[in-house]
Amino acid sequence: QKEVEQNSGPLSVPEGAIASLNCTYSDRVSQSFFWYRQYSGKSPELIMSIYSNGDKEDGRFTAQLNKASQYVSLLIRDSQPSDSATYLCAVGGNMYSGGGADGLTFGKGTHLIIQP
Amino acid sequence: GAVVSQHPSRVICKSGTSVKIECRSLDFQATTMFWYRQFPKQSLMLMATSNEGSKATYEQGVEKDKFLINHASLTLSTLTVTSAHPEDSSFYICSARGSSHGTDYGYTFGSGTRLTVV
Repeated sequence: QKEVEQNSGPLSVPEGAIASLNCTYSDRVSQSFFWYRQYSGKSPELIMSIYSNGDKEDGRFTAQLNKASQYVSLLIRDSQPSDSATYLCAVGGNMYSGGGADGLTFGKGTHLIIQP
Repeated sequence: GAVVSQHPSRVICKSGTSVKIECRSLDFQATTMFWYRQFPKQSLMLMATSNEGSKATYEQGVEKDKFLINHASLTLSTLTVTSAHPEDSSFYICSARGSSHGTDYGYTFGSGTRLTVV
């Protein structure tokens, strides 16, 4: 059974600070990793995807992947009140080699609150 | 970018009736469609995977005769909840995997359908 674990929170961060979200996964052969933002009652919105070990930066967001530790994280710099949402970590197979035909395994999400 | 249009966004039905949810990929071909279900404060749980023209593959514990999936074209997939019961009340989300003109769009999610069975 594939599992993705996240701290459910809530994680409260002051506006302008760095929010750090963490995720661990159980399936060692996982190849693709995603962070989604989900507002209440809405569908998930893709924030970042990462496939290789190391860091990947996109604007205020940085995703970090460590396959040896089976660990993925998301850093949000200069946090804004609009960043308040639930952040879902999702894990999948190799998207370009058959694994893309598999669905994603999601964590339960971390509820992030940015305090003005 | 790629868009998946999901309808209806919200539906209330009586117990014992059937409800159909549609997902259409706009501007790209959805070779694979995934259907998820999300209960309040829970994660998205994969229900089934369908490829165009093939029978859907259901996850363990998901009744294939209750959740009918049709993926007859590369742009349309439907999920029909048959003989709905209150415990089927949930948020149903589709996700398409596909490409257009050589561009891989990864996983594109629909906007979700809130089903309430009374």
